[in-house]
Amino acid sequence: SAVISQKPSRDICQRGTSLTIQCQVDSQVTMMFWYRQQPGQSLTLIATANQGSEATYESGFVIDKFPISRPNLTFSTLTVSNLSPEDSSIYLCSVEWQGVGEQYFGPGTRLTVT
Amino acid sequence: GENVEQHPSTLSVQEGDSAVIKCTYSDSASNYFPWYKQELGKGPQLIIDIRSNVGEKKDQRIAVTLNKTAKHFSLHITETQPEDSAVYFCAGSSGGSYIPTFGRGTSLIVHP
Repeated sequence: SAVISQKPSRDICQRGTSLTIQCQVDSQVTMMFWYRQQPGQSLTLIATANQGSEATYESGFVIDKFPISRPNLTFSTLTVSNLSPEDSSIYLCSVEWQGVGEQYFGPGTRLTVT
Repeated sequence: GENVEQHPSTLSVQEGDSAVIKCTYSDSASNYFPWYKQELGKGPQLIIDIRSNVGEKKDQRIAVTLNKTAKHFSLHITETQPEDSAVYFCAGSSGGSYIPTFGRGTSLIVHP
């Protein structure tokens, strides 16, 4: 399996600012994903990030609001831009393991927007 | 696309009892069904999964069953312990993308 770390673990941000979340994996992986989990809710996929290509965004999520970088096979960042209180959520990165469908998740970043 | 329904939303049991969480899916092309356990303040942890060529899979106190005809799958936890208390998510995905669709989650509470 893969070990995934995220930074920061939590943050409190002002409305209108941006937060960049980092995701580091201990092994090279092809597919990385970013999810949002609102309090007490299930996981919603924001986008899929493959190294060397543009991220693929799910319906309701746009690049201007959630720009993603994937510079190599072990690292990705998600930026949440122009923050509003509705962006308060847990943001999770995950990786698909060795093409067999297993997904492993990072510990999450808890964002609060005031 | 896939739609995964999960029941119950909350399940309260006494330590030592069994717990069963049920999910249904809509896409007959789905062939991979993982289960995740999420403890408070942590990311989801993959605890067991099953593929469509298998009807049942067991790992110590947890087991998962799959009925492809009825399009439902279940998680069974035996001899529950307080540390089993968490939110459990089922998911379904089809081969090729392996991007899962998650159920809404079940909050399992095990009373000592």
